[in-house]
Amino acid sequence: EIVMTQSPATLSVSPGERATLSCRASQSVSSNLAWYQQKPGQAPRLLIYGASTRATGIPARFSGSGSGTEFTLTISSLQSEDFAVYYCQQYNNWPPLIFGGGTKVEIK
Amino acid sequence: QLQLQESGPGLVKPSETLSLTCTVSGGSITTSSYYWAWIRQPPGKGLEWIGSIYSSGNTYYNPSLRSRVTISVDPSKNQFSLNLSSVTAADTAVYYCAKHNPEPGLDYWGQGTLVTVSS
Repeated sequence: EIVMTQSPATLSVSPGERATLSCRASQSVSSNLAWYQQKPGQAPRLLIYGASTRATGIPARFSGSGSGTEFTLTISSLQSEDFAVYYCQQYNNWPPLIFGGGTKVEIK
Repeated sequence: QLQLQESGPGLVKPSETLSLTCTVSGGSITTSSYYWAWIRQPPGKGLEWIGSIYSSGNTYYNPSLRSRVTISVDPSKNQFSLNLSSVTAADTAVYYCAKHNPEPGLDYWGQGTLVTVSS
């Protein structure tokens, strides 16, 4: 079974700064990777699919890159509403759908 | 706009069966090429996919839960359901239902419902 590893576990960033989150797969998932944002008390929200395609309504400050086993989610200029937990998820070899453990982006 | 809403008991006793229903509005659950999924999140922890059901009725389960999970669809009510048997405290979690396509992914979610397993 594929293992998805996210780093760092917590990222402290000041508003307006750039945030770079990493996701690594234990074997290639091609570009079949999605990113989700989850705020406290809310359901996750789809941000990115196909490793780099923004979902409907997602601001351009969110971008995804990578393929194979290494992926990055970049938030170009953090807004107050972006402080949340971010999960990656592979769908190249499913079932099962597998999520990473998450990265919490907190205010520095 | 598609909306999903989970419903069911918030408290289940150990060894019993957890049963939840997801009601879909704003679209038909039998639309071809859609999957419908259940995902859970223990308090303070990450997301775990439980399983998905295709519009045809084919089901796909997480191997770690397969022996205890059943997902079904009721087209007449535009609902799909989750049954998880022989629950323990480890099954305490917020349970989410979601619309699932391999791409773009889990793009519509319910608000989630907390299920606590306790005597």
